[in-house]
Amino acid sequence: GAGVSQSPSNKVTEKGKDVELRCDPISGHTALYWYRQSLGQGLEFLIYFQGNSAPDKSGLPSDRFSAERTGGSVSTLTIQRTQQEDSAVYLCASIPRRGSEAFFGQGTRLTVV
Amino acid sequence: AQSVSQHNHHVILSEAASLELGCNYSYGGTVNLFWYVQYPGQHLQLLLKYFSGDPLVKGIKGFEAEFIKSKFSFNLRKPSVQWSDTAEYFCAVTPGRNYQLIWGAGTKLIIKP
Repeated sequence: GAGVSQSPSNKVTEKGKDVELRCDPISGHTALYWYRQSLGQGLEFLIYFQGNSAPDKSGLPSDRFSAERTGGSVSTLTIQRTQQEDSAVYLCASIPRRGSEAFFGQGTRLTVV
Repeated sequence: AQSVSQHNHHVILSEAASLELGCNYSYGGTVNLFWYVQYPGQHLQLLLKYFSGDPLVKGIKGFEAEFIKSKFSFNLRKPSVQWSDTAEYFCAVTPGRNYQLIWGAGTKLIIKP
């Protein structure tokens, strides 16, 4: 596709349920980031994948959060036992090569009720 | 630790006023520098970038930024703002020209018509 695609665009879930958020990066982009943007806040780094290297998970806020990237392409961010404070926009970005700019998806707006 | 500072969290200007948003980073080596913009309801998009060469870079919509290595700064400027420039602006740095992106907290810019 032409850009980074995220699905769903909006997700409303009940507290305690698990959710999966999907990111399709631009084909051929080596690195992939997940960020969280809460209302009125900046970008909170969650996790970063680069090629076949072990992901940098240092930003994941708790063990309820996990992510994987299959085949160096599509990535899934999973939040287990969702809490209201997980409500935010989850952004995915991919980077084509070392030092290049990031290309962002439209984000998934997650609302936990 | 490497960090990016955006000193102004909120800026309110009238149309036609001049704009300068500050960005300072902490890293002594080679860096790639970016400014991103997020218009209301839209995804993050690249405004301009600096990799090397002329330290004064021009981006879209009349924006420019100047890299001053001695001050570790990459301030964003526009001589005359428009109402449509209302958005949130983020400065980001890739230290050492790797894949890592370090973000500032963002500056919310409101232009009064």
